Amino acid sequence: EVQLVESGGVLIQPGGSLRLSCAASGFTVNTYFMSWVRQAPGKGLEWVSIIYPDGRAYYADSLRGRFTISIDGSKNTLYLQMNALTAEDTAVYYCASGVMPNLVDFWGQGTLVTVSS
Amino acid sequence: EIVLTQSPATLSLSPGDRATLSCRASQSVSTYLAWYQQKPGQPPRLLIHGASSVATGIPARFSGSGSGTDFTLTISSLEPEDFAVYYCQQALYWPTFGGGTKVEIK
Repeated sequence: EVQLVESGGVLIQPGGSLRLSCAASGFTVNTYFMSWVRQAPGKGLEWVSIIYPDGRAYYADSLRGRFTISIDGSKNTLYLQMNALTAEDTAVYYCASGVMPNLVDFWGQGTLVTVSS
Repeated sequence: EIVLTQSPATLSLSPGDRATLSCRASQSVSTYLAWYQQKPGQPPRLLIHGASSVATGIPARFSGSGSGTDFTLTISSLEPEDFAVYYCQQALYWPTFGGGTKVEIK
């Protein structure tokens, strides 16, 4: 059974750093297109980052280089390193997988990141 | 950035009704268009990809059509579990989502 389980979401002060994790089971993460998609409270969806099976990574322009996506194949886990957090980064962060670029066919349950003083 | 505009924002219908949701792109995305359903407290679920291909496990009452800039998601006969928010998403360029259409019970 395919599963994606996110963790790492917390309440954090503006300017802080945080790393989200997404543990996968039922498939190998570095053979799929893996993404992070976020949803601010009561708002719509925003694609944050994607990493291809060949290791290429892409990010939303709005992030201004603050986030880094990565994979630890030995742990079958996807990560999102987030730096210089602001209130606008407050959201549920979903880990997502797809067999094609820019398409999600399986979502995790999400982890909530709250940036507030 | 490709802007996707969904209409209407809210659709009030009864079980058994036909639902027609629209998604318009600010420029052509060919058929690189997907539809997702999201219920409260849950992640989205893929319904349609490639504008008209129904995802695995999705009931036949869901269908998608369109190409270029204008797309439609149709639910032929609403079931109680279909009342939710629906998002379109383009996959040709950096992926973006529409603002969503809420299908609510009338």
